[in-house]
Amino acid sequence: QQPVQSPQAVILREGEDAVINCSSSKALYSVHWYRQKHGEAPVFLMILLKGGEQKGHEKISASFNEKKQQSSLYLTASQLSYSGTYFCGTEIIRRDDKIIFGKGTRLHILP
Amino acid sequence: DVKVTQSSRYLVKRTGEKVFLECVQDMDHENMFWYRQDPGLGLRLIYFSYDVKMKEKGDIPEGYSVSREKKERFSLILESASTNQTSMYLCASSPGQGAYYGYTFGSGTRLTVV
Repeated sequence: QQPVQSPQAVILREGEDAVINCSSSKALYSVHWYRQKHGEAPVFLMILLKGGEQKGHEKISASFNEKKQQSSLYLTASQLSYSGTYFCGTEIIRRDDKIIFGKGTRLHILP
Repeated sequence: DVKVTQSSRYLVKRTGEKVFLECVQDMDHENMFWYRQDPGLGLRLIYFSYDVKMKEKGDIPEGYSVSREKKERFSLILESASTNQTSMYLCASSPGQGAYYGYTFGSGTRLTVV
């Protein structure tokens, strides 16, 4: 049931773009994205619902392809502050607020 | 700001002890959750609660129980702590099913069982 994230880790230079993928073997009702900085709590970024909705948050946006049960998180012109671990979470039965998280993608931005 | 407060940041307990991890939220959220976070495994759901005195098992409930006597407080109980329960424990809350605001997490309790 746990969604699969790829890549596991990525290193970028400031200003470069990154894509983080999240896929599930189950039909999805929603996909959530969170970022966790080292030693801190995960912070909610955005939620995407059934319907292929694309959302944006500063220079971070995401898409949701419900036919493929996949979501992608796009970080454009990355900043040092984007470093951290990104988790996708999925609701698979209904909008029951029970989120199953992936293992995370570690993103490190170099100056 | 929504706040989720976990009572201890670091905790060291002995094998076999009964351990209580406390979590309090101040935004009248309906739902509360306990996850454990381990390197390479991500966040795994232990228990959750949709309402006072309600509880539901998550993916890894074995060795744990929970208590929710008041809406704002959700406690995780390790009945007899074991070394494989050494982990970071994260509490979270959310407004309710169908919400669009995601979870708010506490800062976590790093539990070491020796």
